[in-house]
Amino acid sequence: AIQLTQSPSSLSASVGDRVTITCRASQGIRNDLVWFQQKPGKAPKLLIYVASTLQSGVPSRFSGSGSGTDFTLTISSLQPEDFATYFCLQDYNYPYTFGQGTKLEIK
Amino acid sequence: EVQLVESGGGLVKPGGSLRLSCVVSGFNFNYYSMNWVRQAPGKGLEWVSSIDSSSGYKYYADSVKGRFTISRDNANNSLYLQMNSLRVEDTAIYYCARDFALARMDVWGQGTTVTVSS
Repeated sequence: AIQLTQSPSSLSASVGDRVTITCRASQGIRNDLVWFQQKPGKAPKLLIYVASTLQSGVPSRFSGSGSGTDFTLTISSLQPEDFATYFCLQDYNYPYTFGQGTKLEIK
Repeated sequence: EVQLVESGGGLVKPGGSLRLSCVVSGFNFNYYSMNWVRQAPGKGLEWVSSIDSSSGYKYYADSVKGRFTISRDNANNSLYLQMNSLRVEDTAIYYCARDFALARMDVWGQGTTVTVSS
């Protein structure tokens, strides 16, 4: 199974900061990478698919990039509602696998 | 409004069985692949199983293969997960999620909680 390694595992930042989260795959996955946001007690929310396509309704301060094995999720200017946990998912092949998550906390 | 509503969770002893359901509304269920994803308490997300729109293809995580069975009833807009030989480590919130073309898991249910304990 393909392993996804997210870094960092946790991150403290302030409102207005630019934040980047990295997801590295154990083998090439083209651009078959998805990003989700999850808030406590809630279901995950789709942010970005095929590495860089913004899901409808997601603010443009979120962006994704990468191909092959290295991917990034960038939030250009953190807003209070962005403090949450972020997960990447590879849907290149089965079994699908998630990264371990990055918890974004308020500094 | 697109909605996915899971049910069927509960407390079960190790070795027991449960059948989860996910009833959908607001879209044509017949055309969409579906997924089950779980989250153990305080842990990350784990993909469990997927099924295509016509039930022709089914996929499972190694951790549940041979014990869980995914199915769907397109006539009744329902997705199922039959879980047998349950283990303590199957304790989790189970979510169903829809695939919309390339937008993997674009809509999620609220989850149903499964607790496996003696």
